[in-house]
Amino acid sequence: NAGVTQTPKFQVLKTGQSMTLQCAQDMNHNSMYWYRQDPGMGLRLIYYSASEGTTDKGEVPNGYNVSRLNKREFSLRLESAAPSQTSVYFCASRLTGGNGELFFGEGSRLTVL
Amino acid sequence: AQSVTQLDSQVPVFEEAPVELRCNYSSSVSVYLFWYVQYPNQGLQLLLKYLSGSTLVKGINGFEAEFNKSQTSFHLRKPSVHISDTAEYFCAAAGNKLTFGGGTRVLVKP
Repeated sequence: NAGVTQTPKFQVLKTGQSMTLQCAQDMNHNSMYWYRQDPGMGLRLIYYSASEGTTDKGEVPNGYNVSRLNKREFSLRLESAAPSQTSVYFCASRLTGGNGELFFGEGSRLTVL
Repeated sequence: AQSVTQLDSQVPVFEEAPVELRCNYSSSVSVYLFWYVQYPNQGLQLLLKYLSGSTLVKGINGFEAEFNKSQTSFHLRKPSVHISDTAEYFCAAAGNKLTFGGGTRVLVKP
């Protein structure tokens, strides 16, 4: 079972470059999320999509955009990367909001020089 | 708004000793509470969750947590740790979205 798949796993960018992180889930989940993980700060929500066709800002949305392409796919775009966006990014999904368990991808490590 | 505080950033512990990881939350509404574990270079996996009912929740790998509404806490415990429990542990509170604490890194020493 694939679960939540993220690509790429590693990426190095120069300041000002753009890139898209891809995420796909095969569990027929309605809700999808993008988090970033930084040392000592836990996971912070960037954007989420409660259902297909909707997206909402999380705690730290500045510098990012998202697209819920269909029920399976939720991409995160950095239009003009900055060193402050160096982080590990996690995509997650769950069936519904509230008490549903989140399932995580393995993460994408991004370095912005 | 809800928030989650993990009171210890690092917890060193000897193998076969007990461990407790502390978590406090604040929320103006009822919350669902979770503990996740992250092994090196991996994503997060669910250890256990509290939704309602019994305040003592048992999870995988011998972990358990106790929900205390009056103290707004959800501490995680294991009576005897193994080397393989070395990982980072995250407490989280859920409404429409999940809010995570800052994480506690557990290092089990032989």
